[in-house]
Amino acid sequence: RKEVEQDPGPFNVPEGATVAFNCTYSNSASQSFFWYRQDCRKEPKLLMSVYSSGNEDGRFTAQLNRASQYISLLIRDSKLSDSATYLCVVSPPWAGNMLTFGGGTRLMVKP
Amino acid sequence: NAGVTQTPKFQVLKTGQSMTLQCAQDMNHNSMYWYRQDPGMGLRLIYYSASEGTTDKGEVPNGYNVSRLNKREFSLRLESAAPSQTSVYFCASSQSGGRETQYFGPGTRLLVL
Repeated sequence: RKEVEQDPGPFNVPEGATVAFNCTYSNSASQSFFWYRQDCRKEPKLLMSVYSSGNEDGRFTAQLNRASQYISLLIRDSKLSDSATYLCVVSPPWAGNMLTFGGGTRLMVKP
Repeated sequence: NAGVTQTPKFQVLKTGQSMTLQCAQDMNHNSMYWYRQDPGMGLRLIYYSASEGTTDKGEVPNGYNVSRLNKREFSLRLESAAPSQTSVYFCASSQSGGRETQYFGPGTRLLVL
């Protein structure tokens, strides 16, 4: 089993739609969680950290479910510019300085 | 403020050739990382340097060596390139530990024939 698993997609949605991605992680003792965004042929960039209580940043909401070992990302009112690959990132407790990246979920927002 | 820079952007090598990928950051970060990204595999850590003077293996270190030249620079060397090393290589840095935000360079696209 992969340490961090994501549905690769693509998720094709119209502008203005709400879309949600889930990501599952294998190590129940993992402490830190993030969503990164990666545009085509570009480097990953931090979108948001994921806190135990859940957190929101504008149109983006991240949730953590420790019992079921998954994190989610909800995007409301999708924009064309949201088209990208979204990477789920986890820091297992043994990892020290290392992060473990999921394979990414591709989102395509259509006019 | 350039952030993290990498050279070269593209490279084609023949099997058995060697090369060094260069990375530099100007954010005064302590930790630096080298990843490779392959389709469907996500980003995998090759080596990292928690601080100047230290380096440690990541998930896929075989076939690579690294040098933390100073606080700013962290290079990745392929001594004898193999087709399996065809990939996109990203360098990243963070203030201290991996649990903090990592800032990535633009990547190096490497093709080994």
